[in-house]
Amino acid sequence: AQSVTQLGSHVSVSEGALVLLRCNYSSSVPPYLFWYVQYPNQGLQLLLKYTTGATLVKGINGFEAEFKKSETSFHLTKPSAHMSDAAEYFCAVSANQAGTALIFGKGTTLSVSS
Amino acid sequence: NAGVMQNPRHLVRRRGQEARLRCSPMKGHSHVYWYRQLPEEGLKFMVYLQKENIIDESGMPKERFSAEFPKEGPSILRIQQVVRGDSAAYFCASSPQAASSYNEQFFGPGTRLTVL
Repeated sequence: AQSVTQLGSHVSVSEGALVLLRCNYSSSVPPYLFWYVQYPNQGLQLLLKYTTGATLVKGINGFEAEFKKSETSFHLTKPSAHMSDAAEYFCAVSANQAGTALIFGKGTTLSVSS
Repeated sequence: NAGVMQNPRHLVRRRGQEARLRCSPMKGHSHVYWYRQLPEEGLKFMVYLQKENIIDESGMPKERFSAEFPKEGPSILRIQQVVRGDSAAYFCASSPQAASSYNEQFFGPGTRLTVL
């Protein structure tokens, strides 16, 4: 069965510092992997996704993630944090090969201080 | 271009009452997905519907929960005889075609259900 583990429910960084949000997954089928961001009182917004091909995936707002099959990881990074990056971030894996159902991690709240 | 709309945003029910959660997909979207987020848990898939059809309900509890997506109007997630364990955030997503590696699910802001 598929599952997602996000290490660290809260991450705090200073503005301009590197952002690293960790995600490990378990999947019995070739995984589709996603990162979503949720701002207060809004829906989840897709940041980036990995399906096939290049293992380094670039997303919106300067975020990127690298799929590492040997480590079953899909960590999210951003070289320089902005105050506007403060939000909750969810990693997800497809629950089936069709991709019509997603399984999410518990989320990581990112705080950015000036 | 309005996104996925969910209402109400907050719903309080007493044990034994019924809860009805509504989801209006984005314009042009005919595929709807419901997810539940229990406290301290990640979102869990519940059900996938197209207009007038349930495609995948593998994540739905066997009793008290039902979902529909009629030809006209919003998708409804109905919970009968609610219990405290139903307290959660319920998220709806939609897509123009069946979600896949290429078709993104667009999420609404969620409905927070509290059962007293």
